[in-house]
Amino acid sequence: DGGITQSPKYLFRKEGQNVTLSCEQNLNHDAMYWYRQDPGQGLRLIYYSQIVNDFQKGDIAEGYSVSREKKESFPLTVTSAQKNPTAFYLCASRGTSGYYNEQFFGPGTRLTVL
Amino acid sequence: DQQVKQNSPSLSVQEGRISILNCDYTNSMFDYFLWYKKYPAEGPTFLISISSIKDKNEDGRFTVFLNKSAKHLSLHIVPSQPGDSAVYFCAASAAGTASKLTFGTGTRLQVTL
Repeated sequence: DGGITQSPKYLFRKEGQNVTLSCEQNLNHDAMYWYRQDPGQGLRLIYYSQIVNDFQKGDIAEGYSVSREKKESFPLTVTSAQKNPTAFYLCASRGTSGYYNEQFFGPGTRLTVL
Repeated sequence: DQQVKQNSPSLSVQEGRISILNCDYTNSMFDYFLWYKKYPAEGPTFLISISSIKDKNEDGRFTVFLNKSAKHLSLHIVPSQPGDSAVYFCAASAAGTASKLTFGTGTRLQVTL
């Protein structure tokens, strides 16, 4: 059963700690994305990767870091430099076989920083 | 600078009637538009999309219309069902941008019995 998994569903951390959110896909997609959703707002792009070992900053990359060592995995680290880390984080992937391809999303991780 | 706008935060429609959700954009480089449906604490689910070379795309009960001159698109759901109650996001991407999506703020649709 192909899809995108994110773990954990809920995550609590103390202020000042770094935390890594997991994203795995078995859809054989080349491109992967991280978004953040805040209440009453749309999704905002944090980082994206079109191919293994390559990634680019999105609109709100400050305080975040990523790696793309494997095609299936795109973990996101929320560092202590992120001023407002409490949010709902969504990972997505996209195939690149056609000119237009939709992004498929994982179930999300709710991060709460205490 | 919000490039994709959904000006109606909420919409209530009776079951069986038509739901019309609207979206406006400002970036003339956008050439691909998508609608996603989202339940609380879940990831968005892709519904339907349209490229800028078309003005209409239909999939079952869902139809998306694109008016490029007005930079406006709309999602029609006919007939509306209680299970359609969710938040709907409009998104857009531009060619050559790695399909990065710019999202609107969403419209909460409630379908009443």
